[in-house]
Amino acid sequence: DTEVTQTPKHLVMGMTNKKSLKCEQHMGHRAMYWYKQKAKKPPELMFVYSYEKLSINESVPSRFSPECPNSSLLNLHLHALQPEDSALYLCASSQLGDRVISEAFFGQGTRLTVV
Amino acid sequence: AQSVSQHNHHVILSEAASLELGCNYSYGGTVNLFWYVQYPGQHLQLLLKYFSGDPLVKGIKGFEAEFIKSKFSFNLRKPSVQWSDTAEYFCAVPTDSWGKLQFGAGTQVVVTP
Repeated sequence: DTEVTQTPKHLVMGMTNKKSLKCEQHMGHRAMYWYKQKAKKPPELMFVYSYEKLSINESVPSRFSPECPNSSLLNLHLHALQPEDSALYLCASSQLGDRVISEAFFGQGTRLTVV
Repeated sequence: AQSVSQHNHHVILSEAASLELGCNYSYGGTVNLFWYVQYPGQHLQLLLKYFSGDPLVKGIKGFEAEFIKSKFSFNLRKPSVQWSDTAEYFCAVPTDSWGKLQFGAGTQVVVTP
């Protein structure tokens, strides 16, 4: 079982809807990530939060809005998405150290379909 | 900046055959390397990792990988595969101090009974 929990597992939304993806980890990790994975492709980074602050935004369209309410939670707010945004959205977390980058732990993902 | 490439995109082999998947990275400083596996319908799981020390790294489920600095390679191996090893395998390298992972294109491995 993954130690990173994502909800919901599946989501179908219309292009005018507003929805949120949620992610939770209790490993004490101080970095959390959102990745997007299209079918038959590797995950691609969207956002990185470190110590609850947004550290990286990979030029993601503003219809995706991340939020980190505390060190254990990460949300991704969705609004006015396009059909091409349909994908598997993965949350991950990792520990931050001075010189060593630890491995990332991934959640099961949210399978998003935009209709 | 670090980047990573995987040579094989699709591999089909029989049970008990040996598996080797290639991964090459571009040098950009301290090297940390990972192999992740994604079984059908499941989350990405870490198979093994290299940070420093012994270049031969052993992971879960009988997998191992060898870091060869002179060749910029981190190939994944398993001496005898099982049907349950059918999955997508990704080599990955962190590209910054925040742990952003750059994944290779992935290799789909299909093990036939």
